[in-house]
Amino acid sequence: DQQVKQNSPSLSVQEGRISILNCDYTNSMFDYFLWYKKYPAEGPTFLISISSIKDKNEDGRFTVFLNKSAKHLSLHIVPSQPGDSAVYFCAAPLRGGTYKYIFGTGTRLKVLA
Amino acid sequence: GAGVSQSPSNKVTEKGKDVELRCDPISGHTALYWYRQSLGQGLEFLIYFQGNSAPDKSGLPSDRFSAERTGGSVSTLTIQRTQQEDSAVYLCASSFGGAGTGELFFGEGSRLTVL
Repeated sequence: DQQVKQNSPSLSVQEGRISILNCDYTNSMFDYFLWYKKYPAEGPTFLISISSIKDKNEDGRFTVFLNKSAKHLSLHIVPSQPGDSAVYFCAAPLRGGTYKYIFGTGTRLKVLA
Repeated sequence: GAGVSQSPSNKVTEKGKDVELRCDPISGHTALYWYRQSLGQGLEFLIYFQGNSAPDKSGLPSDRFSAERTGGSVSTLTIQRTQQEDSAVYLCASSFGGAGTGELFFGEGSRLTVL
């Protein structure tokens, strides 16, 4: 059962335009979400997070939106830059004794110069 | 060290051999996680250690996989009698505590290739 889903395996965007990466989840008990960015041959690095008590969190060019009723979150990058080209994972901690983080399958973003 | 350190960075082994992968977390981090990423797949949870609590082993795919964490710091993931489907990048991460609201800090991973 894939509790965190990223249905778009890849996305190409022109430099300067907006990139929108989507993530859906099925577990209504999730109350915190994170986005990670991964370059080839490197470990994922934390990008931005959002608590379920909020519907938006912004950090510079990166904004995460949360729609709890739809169990959907999205990461907006504007303006997109070539250095943003990476694989992006959404994740949520599964509570209840331990806090293993459930990751989506990732979306590969390519920003074209 | 400043970050999570994993070794070896690359390991090629023959089917049926045992392998050990090491993770040195960030000093002071009490939570340690092992994930793996197979080709074209997402991050698959394997095991989670938190302080002196019993580890959550619910993600280990078979009894050929085991992990230990000595002294609340360094962790070793052992795969016995490796199979070709074990080929993947094995990622270790650590974090402060187990509150589940903090970011995970990942190492660069150990790429395992089973021939």
